[in-house]
Amino acid sequence: AQRVTQPEKLLSVFKGAPVELKCNYSYSGSPELFWYVQYSRQRLQLLLRHISRESIKGFTADLNKGETSFHLKKPFAQEEDSAMYYCALSLSYNTDKLIFGTGTRLQVFP
Amino acid sequence: GAGVSQSPSNKVTEKGKDVELRCDPISGHTALYWYRQRLGQGLEFLIYFQGNSAPDKSGLPSDRFSAERTGESVSTLTIQRTQQEDSAVYLCASSLNARDFYGYTFGSGTRLTVV
Repeated sequence: AQRVTQPEKLLSVFKGAPVELKCNYSYSGSPELFWYVQYSRQRLQLLLRHISRESIKGFTADLNKGETSFHLKKPFAQEEDSAMYYCALSLSYNTDKLIFGTGTRLQVFP
Repeated sequence: GAGVSQSPSNKVTEKGKDVELRCDPISGHTALYWYRQRLGQGLEFLIYFQGNSAPDKSGLPSDRFSAERTGESVSTLTIQRTQQEDSAVYLCASSLNARDFYGYTFGSGTRLTVV
């Protein structure tokens, strides 16, 4: 079955430290992967998608099909990055539903 | 409206009662999705509406769950004979078109508690 795994429920770092939020998926086809973020008292919103190969708010994520991973990275964490982060998988190009991981809470201490 | 609106924001109901949750998508958005998030778990897909096509109901967990959408407007998610395991945050999202993931906008959710 298709699945998205985020092994860490909580990740705590100090400001300026590198951050890597792990995401692994299981899907035999060609996946499309996303990272969503939910800041305190705000709605869930898209952070980035693998197909765009972009950097948003200093975050990047590379799809590694060999390791079936899509880890989210930032070289220098900021306090405002503290939030819940969800990795999500879209199965193919003819369906719109997303499969979400359980989320990782990132805490960045000053 | 400016965003996806969900009501009520909180609902406490007794086990066995029926509940209706409402979602007002962004005007003009043809696609509408319902997800459920139980405590400590990820978002779980429930149902998807796209224009006038038949909805994708593959995520509905049981026949106690149903949803309707009139045209490209409001959607209601109905849970009959609620059970304690139905307690969750129910999230609605809408997007302009199919696969418009950049425009995939979530509401703030309805927190349902079944006592």
